[in-house]
Amino acid sequence: SQTIHQWPATLVQPVGSPLSLECTVEGTSNPNLYWYRQAAGRGLQLLFYSVGIGQISSEVPQNLSASRPQDRQFILSSKKLLLSDSGFYLCAWSHRVFSTEAFFGQGTRLTVV
Amino acid sequence: AQTVTQSQPEMSVQEAETVTLSCTYDTSESDYYLFWYKQPPSRQMILVIRQEAYKQQNATENRFSVNFQKAAKSFSLKISDSQLGDAAMYFCAYRSGIQGAQKLVFGQGTRLTINP
Repeated sequence: SQTIHQWPATLVQPVGSPLSLECTVEGTSNPNLYWYRQAAGRGLQLLFYSVGIGQISSEVPQNLSASRPQDRQFILSSKKLLLSDSGFYLCAWSHRVFSTEAFFGQGTRLTVV
Repeated sequence: AQTVTQSQPEMSVQEAETVTLSCTYDTSESDYYLFWYKQPPSRQMILVIRQEAYKQQNATENRFSVNFQKAAKSFSLKISDSQLGDAAMYFCAYRSGIQGAQKLVFGQGTRLTINP
């Protein structure tokens, strides 16, 4: 069966520090991968999605970047965090062809102080 | 670009009663998929139900059913016999059926409270 791992679960970082959140998927190949951000009590904002290694689409201009160095690995990064980067970050994957829904990781609660 | 709108930020229902959550979407496409996701306090996103736009029959999953009105671009979720465990944020989501268009777009969510 397929599983998705996202870490860390919680993170407190000072303003100006770098960020690296990692997400990996097991049990499938060539998945579509997604990073979403959820502000408190709000909906999910799509940040990045990827349909293959090195292929990243950015949805919103921001202080963040994403990379996909391996087929089932998706990394969210920042060189210098801002207070406004605080939020709940969710990684998700979906099958390229056989299915249409997305499956989500447990999320990372990021607090920038 | 496709948009999804949930006009009810909060809803409440008595345990064992029925509640309907509203969702509308905007698209020019004819082939697409619609979803309802549940996010309990643990914040894990859980798929509740899925509807393919080409299917006229409304999807059902046990106590959960949808009213899919394609012409009106409406996709509401009905929860029957509400249970305390149904308390959560509910998100409506849209995905294009076009090959290569893989984005899943979410509404702002509806917080559902179940009153015992």
